[in-house]
Formats: sequence, structure tokens, C-alpha cells
Amino acid sequence: GENVEQHPSTLSVQEGDSAVIKCTYSDSASNYFPWYKQELGKGPQLIIDIRSNVGEKKDQRIAVTLNKTAKHFSLHITETQPEDSAVYFCAASTSSGSARQLTFGSGTQLTVLP
Amino acid sequence: DGGITQSPKYLFRKEGQNVTLSCEQNLNHDAMYWYRQDPGQGLRLIYYSQIVNDFQKGDIAEGYSVSREKKESFPLTVTSAQKNPTAFYLCASSAGETLHFGNGTRLTVT
Repeated sequence: GENVEQHPSTLSVQEGDSAVIKCTYSDSASNYFPWYKQELGKGPQLIIDIRSNVGEKKDQRIAVTLNKTAKHFSLHITETQPEDSAVYFCAASTSSGSARQLTFGSGTQLTVLP
Repeated sequence: DGGITQSPKYLFRKEGQNVTLSCEQNLNHDAMYWYRQDPGQGLRLIYYSQIVNDFQKGDIAEGYSVSREKKESFPLTVTSAQKNPTAFYLCASSAGETLHFGNGTRLTVT
């Protein structure tokens, strides 16, 4: 089955700096890669996703890049703000229109220091 | 507001007791899921249901049971057979690839 590794497990950045979280996956058939953000005391929420036919996707201050050859994808957050502090999870799946196949990484605790 | 409601937020039980975690959704989603979250281990799938009266084991189903008698409800029972039940439990629903999560129940078994 799919295996997703996520690094780093913790990340601290100064407010205004950029943050990068990296994930690798093992199954070359995976074609859907979402990122979820979990704030303290809440459930995770989808923030951005990318499919294997696209190399990069941006949404305001966040972007995700995908390298299919190397089987890794990354989340980039620019101009970080205190409200970006949360746990971030990457995931991968062989998308069939269902969330059943999602395999999650172990999570990254991002702390944005004021 | 549409969403997923998990109750209670905190639950304490003695070892050897079964305990049931509640999950209700008003998003009209067919699929519902239970995940377990442990520090440093991400989210692991316990059970999922794609339609009423049907459910399937996930990756770590041992020691857990579920039912899906109504579209809106997917309760999870943590049985005494679960060797390490203390964890944060997340319920989710989906109408496709995107999971919509509740705010979780933290279960402590002593």
C-alpha cells in the first residue's frame, strides 16, 4: 500500500518568513495530493490540493508543488502570520472520487513566532 | 450551519469498559469515516461507510465496532479488546475526495 513520509515534524519560523513542508510518497499510481490544516482543538480542514497532471498550484499565500518523477510534493506558505500556526498534514491517494484511499503523513507542527 | 458534530469533546473510561463515541452530520454526505490520531502518527483509518447499512474495516479496525443505521449518524464503539484505546478520535464525512472533519473526541482510558 501507499506510504507517505512528511518532514519536518516541527517547524518554527519568524512572522513574515516562508515555511516549507515536504512529503514523499511510495505508490507511483497516486494522483491526488491534498493538504489539511488542523488548528488546536479542531478537526483538520482542507487548504489546498493538487492532481498529478499539474506541477504547481497557488492560492494566495499558499502553494503546492509536485514532482512526479521524484514522488515528492511540498507545501509553501509565504509571508507567514501567527494564525498559520497549526498542524499540517499531507496526504496521497489513487483518486477514484472517494476519500477512502487517502493515506496521511505524520503531520508538521508549524509555529509562527511574532 | 452544516457540519459534523462529535460528542463529547472529552471522555474518560475505566479499562475493561466499552465506550461509544457519537458522530452526527447534516451535510447529506453518503460516506462517513472514523480516524484515530496519535502524536507523530498522522491519521489512521478505523472504519468507513459509503452508504447506510454498510461499512468496511479500515487499516486499524481491531477492537472497534461501528453501525450505520441512519445517513446522519455513524457511532464508533471502542471495545475492551482495543489494547491501547487512549487517543484522539476524528469523525469525517465526504461527498467525494474532500474530507469534512468534526472537532474530535479525546478518549482517556485508565
